[in-house]
Amino acid sequence: QVTLKESGPGILQPSQTLSLTCTFSGFSLSTYGMGVGWIRQPSGKGLEWLANIWWDDDKYYNPSLKNRLTISKDTSNNQAFLKITNVDTADTATYYCARFRVTTPFDYWGQGVMVTVSS
Amino acid sequence: DIRMTQSPASLSASLGETVNIECLASEDIYSDLAWYQQKPGKSPQLLIYNANSLQNGVPSRFSGSGSGTQYSLKINSLQSEDVATYFCQQYNNYPNTFGAGTKLELK
Repeated sequence: QVTLKESGPGILQPSQTLSLTCTFSGFSLSTYGMGVGWIRQPSGKGLEWLANIWWDDDKYYNPSLKNRLTISKDTSNNQAFLKITNVDTADTATYYCARFRVTTPFDYWGQGVMVTVSS
Repeated sequence: DIRMTQSPASLSASLGETVNIECLASEDIYSDLAWYQQKPGKSPQLLIYNANSLQNGVPSRFSGSGSGTQYSLKINSLQSEDVATYFCQQYNNYPNTFGAGTKLELK
């Protein structure tokens, strides 16, 4: 059974760094073809893809966030991470992590974690 | 970036009706197209991938079609549990991009 769960700070101030953790089970990020991605959704709005990391540590980022994103993984502890530097109010959203594979896009999603950026 | 234009933005339909939602890509995405369903307060759920492959566990009243730049999601015999927002996503190119969503309500 595949499950994913996001965790984060809940609230942070502008200019701080947002650190998110995705803890998953039911698959391994060391298995060929596996990957974890991060997607966010401001309240009442659409979905925005942020970053993907593959089993072989290949990484892809949304260029609209310029160089503010860093995705990483800890295979032995079944976790993936996303850092967003220099946050502002526009980064307020629910952040999801999701599994993908070579054969399928995001087939399992976490429940999401709400992040509010406010002074 | 590939732009995904989804239509309509909202839709009202009756139980048992057939519903169609369209997604137009700004360039050829070679059927690397997924459809997701998101119910209020919940995470998105994968319905269709590779334009027309039904994800395990998804009812067969959902189907996808299309190629090139034009894709559609069809829901046959609309059920009350289908009330949700539907998103398309292209994964042919990075950055992956989503349509703006279609909010489906019951008439």
